Amino acid sequence: GESVGLHLPTLSVQEGDNSIINCAYSNSASDYFIWYKQESGKGPQFIIDIRSNMDKRQGQRVTVLLNKTVKHLSLQIAATQPGDSAVYFCAETYYGGSQGNLIFGKGTKLSVKP
Amino acid sequence: EPEVTQTPSHQVTQMGQEVILHCVPISNHLYFYWYRQILGQKVEFLVSFYNNEISEKSEIFDDQFSVERPDGSNFTLKIRSTKLEDSAMYFCASGQGQILNTGELFFGEGSRLTVL
Repeated sequence: GESVGLHLPTLSVQEGDNSIINCAYSNSASDYFIWYKQESGKGPQFIIDIRSNMDKRQGQRVTVLLNKTVKHLSLQIAATQPGDSAVYFCAETYYGGSQGNLIFGKGTKLSVKP
Repeated sequence: EPEVTQTPSHQVTQMGQEVILHCVPISNHLYFYWYRQILGQKVEFLVSFYNNEISEKSEIFDDQFSVERPDGSNFTLKIRSTKLEDSAMYFCASGQGQILNTGELFFGEGSRLTVL
């Protein structure tokens, strides 16, 4: 069935370093992907999205890369800061399948050491 | 900045009791959602709601669940007869349009439900 998974459940980085969080998806029909950040005790917060007609999208300090050949998604955070410490989820959906059924991955916990 | 607000933040109930979770979506949004997250697990879709009716629901959203938009601002999730496995964080979310068209969903901070 459909699934979105993460290669690394936890990631610890030094402040100032770059972080890379990975995600694998299994539904080749998925055409829209989103990264969410969830801080402790809060709801998921939108970070960045990418559509399947793109392979890279940049935001402020964040970049999402999409490799449709191997069904892989990554989130790169530049100059990681303590405030980036959170759990990061990737989520996927596909046109024609839903109006809101985002399929979330299990999450990667990012810890930033000062 | 507009936000989705949820109440209560935490509710403890006895198995078999009815629970209603409340949400006030962002005022100009048209699409509303409930998701849940069992402790330590991934966020799971429950239901989406548009134009005063359910547009999609997951397998989790069985007959014990219902949603309602009783007035112009509130969006509620009712669990008729709670079970132990309903213990989770329930997130309400809203968006201006369908996810694929407008992208961003705004999530509330969640209502933690504990069923004893």
